[in-house]
Amino acid sequence: AQKITQTQPGMFVQEKEAVTLDCTYDTSDPSYGLFWYKQPSSGEMIFLIYQGSYDQQNATEGRYSLNFQKARKSANLVISASQLGDSAMYFCAMRDLNTGGFKTIFGAGTRLFVKA
Amino acid sequence: DTEVTQTPKHLVMGMTNKKSLKCEQHMGHRAMYWYKQKAKKPPELMFVYSYEKLSINESVPSRFSPECPNSSLLNLHLHALQPEDSALYLCASSQGDTGFKRHGYTFGSGTRLTVV
Repeated sequence: AQKITQTQPGMFVQEKEAVTLDCTYDTSDPSYGLFWYKQPSSGEMIFLIYQGSYDQQNATEGRYSLNFQKARKSANLVISASQLGDSAMYFCAMRDLNTGGFKTIFGAGTRLFVKA
Repeated sequence: DTEVTQTPKHLVMGMTNKKSLKCEQHMGHRAMYWYKQKAKKPPELMFVYSYEKLSINESVPSRFSPECPNSSLLNLHLHALQPEDSALYLCASSQGDTGFKRHGYTFGSGTRLTVV
């Protein structure tokens, strides 16, 4: 069975500094996709970044980058130059691509607080 | 504005009421999802519709009844709910084609449901 683990319930970061949110996963499938979502207090889940299990390079999207270490089964999110608007809940998620990719499971989430 | 529109944004209903949650998207996505999210918890998958057919039902109680009238609309009919069903109900959509699995889901802002 697939599993996503986020061990940091809450994180604090100073504005303009970088922060790493941890994510480890477990799956026996060779083909999978890893995602990070941001959920502000308004409730909407916002897709941030994607990493495929066969991708050779780490994904980057603007200030977001994914530190993908396949052997360690980790997919940490790095946010550079933190902004006050980055304060939100962050979820790591995984899709099983072999079954059509229609099932996504989420980690418990990490609450990020950006301090001015 | 989100490209997935959910109505209503808030709903309070009694345990004997019948109500419906609505979700609409016009991005041409062929997969649509219902998730349930309790406070301070990750979203949990309820149903997946792929090309307007029910693809996944995560053993959800029958008091929740999904309906997909066409490729743009997804409803969730509610009947005889319990107070523990109070949660944020999130609708999402994604490309149905396997070639677009690297795209994350597009979520709506959710319906905050309170059962009294």
